[in-house]
Amino acid sequence: EIVLTQSPGTLSLSPGERATLSCRASQSVSSNYLAWYQQRPGQTPRLLIYGVSSRATGIPDRFSGSGSGTDFTLTISRLEPEDFAVYYCQHYGPSPPMYTFGQGTKLEIK
Amino acid sequence: QVQLQESGPGLVKPSGTLSLTCAVSGESITSDWWSWVRQPPGKGLEWIGEIYHSGNTNYNPSLKSRVTLSLDKSQNQVSLKLSSVTAADTAVYFCARHCIGHRCHYYWGQGTLVTVSS
Repeated sequence: EIVLTQSPGTLSLSPGERATLSCRASQSVSSNYLAWYQQRPGQTPRLLIYGVSSRATGIPDRFSGSGSGTDFTLTISRLEPEDFAVYYCQHYGPSPPMYTFGQGTKLEIK
Repeated sequence: QVQLQESGPGLVKPSGTLSLTCAVSGESITSDWWSWVRQPPGKGLEWIGEIYHSGNTNYNPSLKSRVTLSLDKSQNQVSLKLSSVTAADTAVYFCARHCIGHRCHYYWGQGTLVTVSS
């Protein structure tokens, strides 16, 4: 069973700055099955990125995903006030067939 | 527009069975996979399981012995049953529809809080 470890646990930045969030898998994973979600306080998770680097419908292009193997990154190029939230990476592993989430990175206003 | 709405008792007694329903509108549940995900208060997301319109299911191994997912095609609903609950099962429970052609969750319900307490 694959474990996803996100770092840092909390990231303190200012609007306009660049954010880099990391997701590391305990073993090499298929890039087709790596996704990122945003969850604002009191709200439901929102899909941002799927297949490592494909943006979901309506997601601004300041969000980008990259990586391969065991190391994946979500980058927010210029932070907007609404971007301060918790971000989760997610992987689907076919054997056994299951989804795993990272523990989350909280992006807070500095 | 696809909408998902979870419903069910907000309070369940320890050792009892948690039963929730996800009513889907804007799309037939025969379209794809459907999942349940939960989030304990102040904590992260945990995938519970998924069901396909054929009735095929996959469950989180850590919950597999206690979970049953089912479909009601006449009502366009997806259901979750979790047996032998403890306080550790207290969480907000979400239903979600998968991304078409990809392994991710696109549409999410608003979630429903279930508290396990006597």
